[in-house]
Amino acid sequence: GIQVEQSPPDLILQEGANSTLRCNFSDSVNNLQWFHQNPWGQLINLFYIPSGTKQNGRLSATTVATERYSLLYISSSQTTDSGVYFCAVESLTGANSKLTFGKGITLSVRP
Amino acid sequence: GAVVSQHPSRVICKSGTSVKIECRSLDFQATTMFWYRQFPKQSLMLMATSNEGSKATYEQGVEKDKFLINHASLTLSTLTVTSAHPEDSSFYICSARVAYYGGNSPLHFGNGTRLTVT
Repeated sequence: GIQVEQSPPDLILQEGANSTLRCNFSDSVNNLQWFHQNPWGQLINLFYIPSGTKQNGRLSATTVATERYSLLYISSSQTTDSGVYFCAVESLTGANSKLTFGKGITLSVRP
Repeated sequence: GAVVSQHPSRVICKSGTSVKIECRSLDFQATTMFWYRQFPKQSLMLMATSNEGSKATYEQGVEKDKFLINHASLTLSTLTVTSAHPEDSSFYICSARVAYYGGNSPLHFGNGTRLTVT
């Protein structure tokens, strides 16, 4: 099946700093989503971005489908941004369509 | 829009009992729903794909007789953990896709159910 690699695995930031989270995937995709999982386990859907660039407030994301990677940018980080960020992809090929998650990036924003 | 409701949010049960978790799409129809499991400090792993009106498709290594899935309508899928044991303690999350849009659309996730088996 499709492989999803996220980097770095852990990230510590000072409040106000910017960061870039990366997601590499091994096959063509028709779905790519970025999620933020809060301390209560709730998955917050940040972006649906199989290709192109999107922005939502301090967050933006870019997916370069031909090169099989996606980037999530966080600007002016806040303590509430802490948590685990997951990239999940759905392969364009294969008989069974399913969303495969990366291992996640644990972000800690210090005040 | 596209809200997925999951209940209960937390359940504690004794070893050997069965637990049912409900997943509802509140404002859309979903021909397919997905059940994931997440152990502490780990990623989400797909357990099974639930198809309305037909049998679920289970991922390799997931016991279909232990994790019973029923998708009787376009807005409701249930996961029953039968004869639960402590090793089944985990965070279970369901997701659904708006039926109208098919494959090229995002999955929407419920808030999860934290199961603790004592």
